[in-house]
Amino acid sequence: GAVVSQHPSWVICKSGTSVKIECRSLDFQATTMFWYRQFPKQSLMLMATSNEGSKATYEQGVEKDKFLINHASLTLSTLTVTSAHPEDSSFYICSAVYRVRTDTQYFGPGTRLTVL
Amino acid sequence: GENVEQHPSTLSVQEGDSAVIKCTYSDSASNYFPWYKQELGKRPQLIIDIRSNVGEKKDQRIAVTLNKTAKHFSLHITETQPEDSAVYFCAASIRPQLSGGYNKLIFGAGTRLAVHP
Repeated sequence: GAVVSQHPSWVICKSGTSVKIECRSLDFQATTMFWYRQFPKQSLMLMATSNEGSKATYEQGVEKDKFLINHASLTLSTLTVTSAHPEDSSFYICSAVYRVRTDTQYFGPGTRLTVL
Repeated sequence: GENVEQHPSTLSVQEGDSAVIKCTYSDSASNYFPWYKQELGKRPQLIIDIRSNVGEKKDQRIAVTLNKTAKHFSLHITETQPEDSAVYFCAASIRPQLSGGYNKLIFGAGTRLAVHP
């Protein structure tokens, strides 16, 4: 149990275009998912908390108009990087809380975004 | 703001030796402390976690200790094997801004563990 998938696993795009990344909980319902960004050889930095049926909560310094998050169902959250630039190139990872009233987060496999 | 400090940044041990990684946290309200193992290019995998009402937890070769007073916790790996080589991250829970939400995690900077045969 507690399997989280992401799609795509990697993507290359041109500067100025938008990219959508999907995060799915395959065998459980996730009312809350988290989106992280990880630069090479660095730690995981929380970008936002995605709540099903409501607006995402963004961390300080993360532009909500640039990183659009939609959590339309209990098993799917999407992150759209709008007007991507080379500095947005990174490893984006989502996680989901497995059980109600616990804090355990299970991570997706990540999406490597390269913006040319 | 809240932060988690992790040491050492790199750790090299011989196979069979023990490895210890230490973390300190700043938010006294933190009550959940997971440890994740991440291999290159892969997802972080939960290896053990501990809650603030427990001082120590063990799972086979892995153990975690927590000192709430000093606000630090440690990961202990015994009888290390080459397959233990990876980056290890500690994390501490932070209360959400909105009541009723799940705690978010603040991660340490990571420790790159190398186990040499």
